[in-house]
Amino acid sequence: GENVEQHPSTLSVQEGDSAVIKCTYSDSASNYFPWYKQELGKRPQLIIDIRSNVGEKKDQRIAVTLNKTAKHFSLHITETQPEDSAVYFCAALAGYGNKLVFGAGTILRVKS
Amino acid sequence: GAVVSQHPSWVICKSGTSVKIECRSLDFQATTMFWYRQFPKQSLMLMATSNEGSKATYEQGVEKDKFLINHASLTLSTLTVTSAHPEDSSFYICSARDVTGRTEAFFGQGTRLTVV
Repeated sequence: GENVEQHPSTLSVQEGDSAVIKCTYSDSASNYFPWYKQELGKRPQLIIDIRSNVGEKKDQRIAVTLNKTAKHFSLHITETQPEDSAVYFCAALAGYGNKLVFGAGTILRVKS
Repeated sequence: GAVVSQHPSWVICKSGTSVKIECRSLDFQATTMFWYRQFPKQSLMLMATSNEGSKATYEQGVEKDKFLINHASLTLSTLTVTSAHPEDSSFYICSARDVTGRTEAFFGQGTRLTVV
């Protein structure tokens, strides 16, 4: 089945700097890759997603890139702000079973 | 739109009792709902996939007799933790995908279960 690996597990950046989180997946049939932000005790919130027919997608300060050949995708946050501090999860929609498989998560801390 | 409501948001129960958690799609019909378990500072682990009108599909290592899932309608799925033990204490969260086939999944607010 699908396996998603996420790095780094923790990331500290200074306010205004950029943050990059990387994920790799194993199932070449996966075709949808969302990123979620989760604050403590709350539900994951979708922040951006990308489909396998697109290489890059941007929404204001957030962008996602996808390399299908290498089977990895990355989240880029520019001009980070303290309110960006949270846990970020990548996920891949497995071709078999049509279910989301999550990465282990990245704790992002933005220091002001 | 696309709101998923989960109830209760937290529950404390005694060992040996059963607890039912509800997951409702409020403004869309969900053919498929997913149940996850999340331990502190860890990722979301898929427990089972429930499809309306059919038996749930459980992930490897998840006891189907302990975690009973019912998806009786296109807007409601329930997870019942039977004979709960302290090790079942966790954050349980559901997500739903609508009948139109949109790939985006919408999450409920989660249920914090504490078994004492």
